Amino acid sequence: RKEVEQDPGPFNVPEGATVAFNCTYSNSASQSFFWYRQDCRKEPKLLMSVYSSGNEDGRFTAQLNRASQYISLLIRDSKLSDSATYLCVVRPLTGGGNKLTFGTGTQLKVEL
Amino acid sequence: DAGITQSPRHKVTETGTPVTLRCHQTENHRYMYWYRQDPGHGLRLIHYSYGVKDTDKGEVSDGYSVSRSKTEDFLLTLESATSSQTSVYFCAISQGTSGDEQYFGPGTRLTVT
Repeated sequence: RKEVEQDPGPFNVPEGATVAFNCTYSNSASQSFFWYRQDCRKEPKLLMSVYSSGNEDGRFTAQLNRASQYISLLIRDSKLSDSATYLCVVRPLTGGGNKLTFGTGTQLKVEL
Repeated sequence: DAGITQSPRHKVTETGTPVTLRCHQTENHRYMYWYRQDPGHGLRLIHYSYGVKDTDKGEVSDGYSVSRSKTEDFLLTLESATSSQTSVYFCAISQGTSGDEQYFGPGTRLTVT
């Protein structure tokens, strides 16, 4: 079983739609959680950290469910510019060097 | 902008040759990382550094070595390049005391023929 699993998609949605991605992680001791976005042939960029109480940044909402070991990302009012691959990222509590474990990503395509 | 540059940005090399990739940062961050990204895999950690001359292995370190003689530079060397090392290589840094969030350089696209 992969440490971090994501539905690869693609998710094809019309502009203005709401879309949600889920991600599951296997290490129950995981401590920190993030969503990154990666555009085609570019580097990953931090979208948002995910906090235990859930957090929102504009049109983006992230949730963490420790009991079920999953993280979600909700995008409201999708824009064409949201088209990208979204990476779920987890840091286990143990282990030095602040090492992160990355999912393979969920591809989003927002269409007119 | 985390002030990270990578060089070269693209390279084609032959099997068996040594290759060195450079990551340079301008903001004096303690932690630096090298990842590779391949289709069907998430980013995988090759090596990381937690200070000058302090490095450790990641999950896919075989065939790679690193050096960090200055805070700002982290070098990744493929000792004898193989076709399986054809990949996109990303350098990253951690900001802040906890170092949780990582910021990536633009990547190096390496092809080994």
